[in-house]
Amino acid sequence: DAGVTQSPTHLIKTRGQHVTLRCSPISGHKSVSWYQQVLGQGPQFIFQYYEKEERGRGNFPDRFSARQFPNYSSELNVNALLLGDSALYLCASSPRGWDEQFFGPGTRLTVL
Amino acid sequence: AQSVTQLDSQVPVFEEAPVELRCNYSSSVSVYLFWYVQYPNQGLQLLLKYLSGSTLVESINGFEAEFNKSQTSFHLRKPSVHISDTAEYFCAVETSGSRLTFGEGTQLTVNP
Repeated sequence: DAGVTQSPTHLIKTRGQHVTLRCSPISGHKSVSWYQQVLGQGPQFIFQYYEKEERGRGNFPDRFSARQFPNYSSELNVNALLLGDSALYLCASSPRGWDEQFFGPGTRLTVL
Repeated sequence: AQSVTQLDSQVPVFEEAPVELRCNYSSSVSVYLFWYVQYPNQGLQLLLKYLSGSTLVESINGFEAEFNKSQTSFHLRKPSVHISDTAEYFCAVETSGSRLTFGEGTQLTVNP
């Protein structure tokens, strides 16, 4: 079975731009979570979605938003990019939202 | 709020030596505890988890961790490490829902 997939793998943006990151969960998983991992630090929770509804939100500004589609895939959007948004963005899926999470390979975002 | 402290940012060891990666957590409620491993340019892989029951949990590749409630610790150990164990290791705690709070990570480097 395919694991969690994320696209793109890398991208470079400039300050003030907008970015959309995509995640496809493992087949049958209904929950998707997003994490930000700044270089040298542990991942920080951004959002969790279950059955297309937001179940949790971390301490991130409103420039960060996300949604989950009927096929359970998800998008993370970041507006007005700042240099500090440069990070590895990880997506994780789980069957029911409260059980083991499986992580994707991440999207490396560089903001110049 | 829960927090996780990984007491060592870097741990260099020689091949076949024992290793312990230390993790302490702070939480006022029952927790689920996890160790994840991250190889360079990859996402997170679950190494082992404590949900309930026996306080000693083991992984398939020789790692083990012991949940100590009185000391709020969940240290990771391996009696004999291999070069291939070189990676970043993250301790994480989950309380409500499936939101994970991670430590800052410990870089384990196994030298020949």
